[in-house]
Amino acid sequence: EPEVTQTPSHQVTQMGQEVILRCVPISNHLYFYWYRQILGQKVEFLVSFYNNEISEKSEIFDDQFSVERPDGSNFTLKIRSTKLEDSAMYFCASSENRGSNQPQHFGDGTRLSIL
Amino acid sequence: AQKITQTQPGMFVQEKEAVTLDCTYDTSDPSYGLFWYKQPSSGEMIFLIYQGSYDQQNATEGRYSLNFQKARKSANLVISASQLGDSAMYFCAMREGGTDKLIFGTGTRLQVFP
Repeated sequence: EPEVTQTPSHQVTQMGQEVILRCVPISNHLYFYWYRQILGQKVEFLVSFYNNEISEKSEIFDDQFSVERPDGSNFTLKIRSTKLEDSAMYFCASSENRGSNQPQHFGDGTRLSIL
Repeated sequence: AQKITQTQPGMFVQEKEAVTLDCTYDTSDPSYGLFWYKQPSSGEMIFLIYQGSYDQQNATEGRYSLNFQKARKSANLVISASQLGDSAMYFCAMREGGTDKLIFGTGTRLQVFP
């Protein structure tokens, strides 16, 4: 069964450094998403992406964050100048189409630890 | 107000028994979707089942079924014949029409014992 893959599974970074989290969505999916889950808390939406543009973002997704689809398969989340509170599990997801009936399929996540 | 409420932080069930995990939601949008995800201790998020706001019948997917009561705004997950591998966190989520984001509840930790 096709799946969303994320690399790395665990990233440890010094505060203030930039980090890039990578995702390969399911190949025929057109919509891509990033979520984060701070330890012990809810999963929170960060951003959605379609047709090489951000289609929706949350208030968490400020100027520190950016997303990119650098080629036909990868989808990346860049966090500039990381802070301690950026430590979380980051999930990439994709869906075939838009719409409230479309399940979003998640990757296994990248655990980001900021020291 | 919380959009998705899961009132059970933890549940226990014996193997082979059925268990119901509660979820209530709040929306004024007539078009929405409700989803359940499973998160094992390894951390991944696994899509289990979906219910649309216009669906007349309750969704079923193998041992999972969704008890959808629209008037009460509830979408409880029923797991039949529980297995040890069902031990995990379970999240209820909603997606309203016209928005991309899933809104998650706080989750219920299910533990299945022999």
